[in-house]
Amino acid sequence: AQSVSQHNHHVILSEAASLELGCNYSYGGTVNLFWYVQYPGQHLQLLLKYFSGDPLVKGIKGFEAEFIKSKFSFNLRKPSVQWSDTAEYFCAVNPPSGTYKYIFGTGTRLKVLA
Amino acid sequence: NAGVTQTPKFQVLKTGQSMTLQCAQDMNHNSMYWYRQDPGMGLRLIYYSASEGTTDKGEVPNGYNVSRLNKREFSLRLESAAPSQTSVYFCASSEGQTQYFGPGTRLLVL
Repeated sequence: AQSVSQHNHHVILSEAASLELGCNYSYGGTVNLFWYVQYPGQHLQLLLKYFSGDPLVKGIKGFEAEFIKSKFSFNLRKPSVQWSDTAEYFCAVNPPSGTYKYIFGTGTRLKVLA
Repeated sequence: NAGVTQTPKFQVLKTGQSMTLQCAQDMNHNSMYWYRQDPGMGLRLIYYSASEGTTDKGEVPNGYNVSRLNKREFSLRLESAAPSQTSVYFCASSEGQTQYFGPGTRLLVL
């Protein structure tokens, strides 16, 4: 079965630290990849997405992600986190089968200490 | 543009009661979705509607029904609520592969 794994469930960082959140998926074919962010009490917002082309994707708020096909990974990075980045981050995969169904990871809760 | 809206924001039900969660989008999207979000489990797809007039089961459809009333609206109905349905419910819409989410409905079933 297709699945998405986010290995870090909880991450605590100090402001200005660098962030890398792991995401691995099990689907063998071509996929579309997404990172969503959910700030406390808010709905999910799209951070960035990868469909094709340059495997290094830049998103909003200084986030970026790198698609490594050989590793089935799409890790999220930010060079220097801020307190306002405290949120839950979800990786999602959408096999382009025509149904636009997402498979979400279980999420990573990030807490940034001021 | 309001995007995706959901009502109610919060609801408490007793076991066995029924209710309908409403969702509407003003982006003229064809596809709409209902998810539930539970701690440690991410978002799981309940039902989706690829276009007006069609609905399909997702990963966890048991205990739910849906109606795609028109292109804008996609409702989720719990006919007989159970404590296991305590969750946060998100509606989403998409045109293409990117989904846009509503603010969620927090449901507590006692």
